[in-house]
Amino acid sequence: DVKVTQSSRYLVKRTGEKVFLECVQDMDHENMFWYRQDPGLGLRLIYFSYDVKMKEKGDIPEGYSVSREKKERFSLILESASTNQTSMYLCASSLSLAGGRHEQYFGPGTRLTVT
Amino acid sequence: KQEVTQIPAALSVPEGENLVLNCSFTDSAIYNLQWFRQDPGKGLTSLLLIQSSQREQTSGRLNASLDKSSGRSTLYIAASQPGDSATYLCAVKGSNDYKLSFGAGTTVTVRA
Repeated sequence: DVKVTQSSRYLVKRTGEKVFLECVQDMDHENMFWYRQDPGLGLRLIYFSYDVKMKEKGDIPEGYSVSREKKERFSLILESASTNQTSMYLCASSLSLAGGRHEQYFGPGTRLTVT
Repeated sequence: KQEVTQIPAALSVPEGENLVLNCSFTDSAIYNLQWFRQDPGKGLTSLLLIQSSQREQTSGRLNASLDKSSGRSTLYIAASQPGDSATYLCAVKGSNDYKLSFGAGTTVTVRA
């Protein structure tokens, strides 16, 4: 079974702090994704990575950056946390194979509160 | 831009009744469609994936159909149980896209 783990289930940070959210997958997937989920807005893509050190902006990248130094690990960074970044953050991964299923597998989520 | 809509937003049924959840999308140039389940405060669990060339997929009591030309998918859950209570999300992957576009979900309550 594919396993995607996230470093924290719940996190409380203060405005202006630098925040790191970590995601690790154990299935050698090329693609990794960070989404945020908010009531009434659904899931929105922040950033994704299709290979080590490669990244692409998603729909809402402002205020975030990412790092992928190793294939299994994808980090989301909030350079200076703000209250409007309070949200549920979900990490996902998928295998990139020509003609393949490209099924996305999700982690358990991190509920971040910025006060 | 792909828009994904799920109707209804919420559904409450007595135990044993069959569930029908609808998903529609605006751009038929999709690679696949995934149905997910989400329990409150948790991550997403993949239920079924239908490739664009397929018409349906089945897993146990779950059956998902896909009509790409009309931009619709339906998830059927037979003989519902209280444990089926959750939010169900559909998501489509474009033909030339890495990302998934999600619907807002249908929240299902199965009453014992």
